[in-house]
Amino acid sequence: SQTIHQWPATLVQPVGSPLSLECTVEGTSNPNLYWYRQAAGRGLQLLFYSVGIGQISSEVPQNLSASRPQDRQFILSSKKLLLSDSGFYLCAWSLAAETQYFGPGTRLLVL
Amino acid sequence: AQSVTQLDSHVSVSEGTPVLLRCNYSSSYSPSLFWYVQHPNKGLQLLLKYTSAATLVKGINGFEAEFKKSETSFHLTKPSAHMSDAAEYFCVVLMDTGRRALTFGSGTRLQVQP
Repeated sequence: SQTIHQWPATLVQPVGSPLSLECTVEGTSNPNLYWYRQAAGRGLQLLFYSVGIGQISSEVPQNLSASRPQDRQFILSSKKLLLSDSGFYLCAWSLAAETQYFGPGTRLLVL
Repeated sequence: AQSVTQLDSHVSVSEGTPVLLRCNYSSSYSPSLFWYVQHPNKGLQLLLKYTSAATLVKGINGFEAEFKKSETSFHLTKPSAHMSDAAEYFCVVLMDTGRRALTFGSGTRLQVQP
């Protein structure tokens, strides 16, 4: 069966520091991968999606970036965090069947 | 363009009574629709999905939803609420076939009173 992992689970970082969140999927090949952000009291916003290694599409302009160095690995990064980057970050995967399956999330607090 | 509207931001029910969470969608073609549940500080779990097969869709934990094209609705129901059902529920539409990205409703927080 397929599983999706995210780490760290919780992260507290100072403003201006770098960020690296990792997402990995097991038990499937060539998945579509997604990064979403959920700000406090708000719905989910799609940040990036990827249909293959090295293929990244950005949904919103911001100081975040994403990379997909391996088929089942998706990384969310920032060179300098802003206060507004605080939130709950969710990674998801899907195949052609459309349904997206979400990881446990990373809660990021920028101080 | 696709969009989804959850009509209630909060719903409170008593344990053992029925649950109704309302969702309306807008889509230029036959959509794929989903309901996800999120418990506090947890990721999203798929409850059920509609993909143009049967209009009444049964999901996990006793939930079901009915796709009504004439009303552009996809309401989530459960005959009898349980305390463990207290969570945030999201109605979701598949945005387009190219990006395969989901569009989320704003969420409905379900409270279950003892």
